[in-house]
Parts: sequence; structure tokens; C-alpha cells
Amino acid sequence: QAQLQQWGAGLLKPSETLSLTCGVYDGSLSGYFWSWIRQPPGKGLEWIGEIHHSGSTNYNPSLKSRITITLDTSKNQFSLRLSPVTAADTAVYYCAREGANSSSSPFDSWGQGSPVSVSS
Amino acid sequence: SSELTQDPAVSVALGQRVRITCQGDGLRIYYASWYQQKPGQAPVLVLYGKDNRPSGIPDRFSGSNSGNTASLTIAGAQAEDEGDYYCHSRDSSGNPSFGTGTKVTVL
Repeated sequence: QAQLQQWGAGLLKPSETLSLTCGVYDGSLSGYFWSWIRQPPGKGLEWIGEIHHSGSTNYNPSLKSRITITLDTSKNQFSLRLSPVTAADTAVYYCAREGANSSSSPFDSWGQGSPVSVSS
Repeated sequence: SSELTQDPAVSVALGQRVRITCQGDGLRIYYASWYQQKPGQAPVLVLYGKDNRPSGIPDRFSGSNSGNTASLTIAGAQAEDEGDYYCHSRDSSGNPSFGTGTKVTVL
């Protein structure tokens, strides 16, 4: 099973750009969707968006105007950019893998989570 | 807002059975997946598809589906089963969506 390791800046000011990267180890990018999910403090999980190994993307409509998810197959990693950020974007951000062979595929591998705080 | 609705909290006596439900129109089309999350940790997949458990998940976890409702049952709850449980499926647009979450307390 693939191991996901994520990294990126954790403290931002309003209007700045959130940038996170997720490395995929012991597994291929092929055959999967690669997602970003976030969890505000004390709240539930929110799907942000996903990228297929082919490069096609699908974003949460509520965030679509501010996010970009990209894939770097040479480094076996994918990235999230969210701009501009506000305090409402404060959350723990997770990367995760979802199977692409079924619409009912689960998120079977998760990154460790990256806490992001937006404050002036 | 989530299109998958869960009860906010349930409690169960040690060793007893508890069922967690997830309701949403998308569940008439797609199976749900279920995740357990403990404080400060990433979610862990415990059930997916019709009734499938990933390797390492005890067989006391099982699932069922009926109409617009998916259920996760823990038969013989253990102290380590305490945590937040989230269902996941797809919304009316076909996008991934998570349930509102259920906090399980083992008494």
C-alpha cells in the first residue's frame, strides 16, 4: 500500500497562497485519483479536489475559483495551491489516494496531515 | 454543507453492538466508505464497498445498505473503537462527499 508524506508552510497571513505537496512512496500514481481533504478545528472532513493520474482535475465547486491541483509524475508527487487564503481556510489538510476503477472507491491511503493556520 | 447526514453521537457499552447510519440520496447509487478518526490522527479506512474490510480491520466491523442509508455496525465494541466515524460517498454532482461525522463513545 502506498505511503503518502506531505509537507508545506503551516502559518499564513490573509491573502497569501497556501502551498502543500504530497509525495507518493511505495506506489505508482497510475490508476488512482489523488485528493486533498481538509478538516477545520473541531469540524468534519471537507473534500477539496482531486487529480487523476492522467492529469484531469475535479474541484469542490465552493473552492474551485481559488484552488489548483497539479501532478509531477517525475517526482511521484502532487500539489495543492489555494489562493488567496482567509481565516476560514484554517484547517488540517490531508492528501489521500482514491481508486479510479469504481465510483465507490474509498480513500485507502492518507497523508499524516498538515496543520495550516491563517492569521494576521 | 454535507449531503450525507449522520447522527452526531452514539454511545455503546463495552462488548455490545452499535450501529452508525449515514443518509443521503447519493447512497442510492454509490456505496459508502467508512473511516475512523482518533484525536490528532488522520482518518483510517475501516469499511468500503458492499461490505469489505481493509487488511488489519477486525471482523467486528461490518456494513449494510438500504435505499438512501448506509450503516456501519460494530459488534462487540472495544475501548479502542472510540473515535469519530465518517461516511464517504458521492453527492448529486458525482463529487466525493463526507458525512457530518458520528462520535462513538464506549462506556
